[in-house]
Amino acid sequence: HLQESGPGVVKPSETLSLTCTVSGGSIRRGGYYWSWVRHLPGKGLEWIGYIYDSETAFYNPSLESRVTISLDTSQNQFSLSLRSLSAADTALYYCARVNMIRVAQLRHYAFDFWGQGTFVTVSS
Amino acid sequence: QTVVTQEPSLTVSPGGTVTLTCASSTGAVTSGSYPNWFQQRPGQPPMALIYGATNRHSWTPARFSGSLLGGRAALTLSDVQPGDEADYFCLLYHGGAGWVFGGGTKLTVL
Repeated sequence: HLQESGPGVVKPSETLSLTCTVSGGSIRRGGYYWSWVRHLPGKGLEWIGYIYDSETAFYNPSLESRVTISLDTSQNQFSLSLRSLSAADTALYYCARVNMIRVAQLRHYAFDFWGQGTFVTVSS
Repeated sequence: QTVVTQEPSLTVSPGGTVTLTCASSTGAVTSGSYPNWFQQRPGQPPMALIYGATNRHSWTPARFSGSLLGGRAALTLSDVQPGDEADYFCLLYHGGAGWVFGGGTKLTVL
């Protein structure tokens, strides 16, 4: 189970901080990436990035200069920080687990479990 | 910019079969694109259906099957039920460009 939390409204130029709390298993356990995805109104889904451990994170190139994803294993949480916000960042933000699954010697990446999402409005 | 294209909308009759496709602007979709398929109903988060192009999750009904077809990823729904009416999204891996979602297909059961 994954649950997002954070502010519903953030001002332009400020930083959005969202947290995803993971229950039902330890975030320390290997074999998973922990991801953020957003759904832009009137547009589609956009992958923001994911993290494997405290030293391994990958980001969408279009957002990379403004994004940081981090892990807090003591709280079984991972977080998203998105800087220099504009109205274009208004979206429904989801956290998701990416499961690395081996099938017949091949490794696959399955975005298998998702949080319910939290809507963030960027407005003054 | 990498674009993943899906049919915007499809209509199918109850009990029928429909195939949704997912194409990449960079070329053929392969197993190395690690295709994922999701179903999303209004007000709900995406629900995972297929990973690795062809593999169902444990909760995915056998009526849903994934394949690679003519350079695209495909999702086939057989014996379509009214409850299958939803938006369907694909997701492809593009190396340095990361993961890119398709624009989604709105499936109507009529």
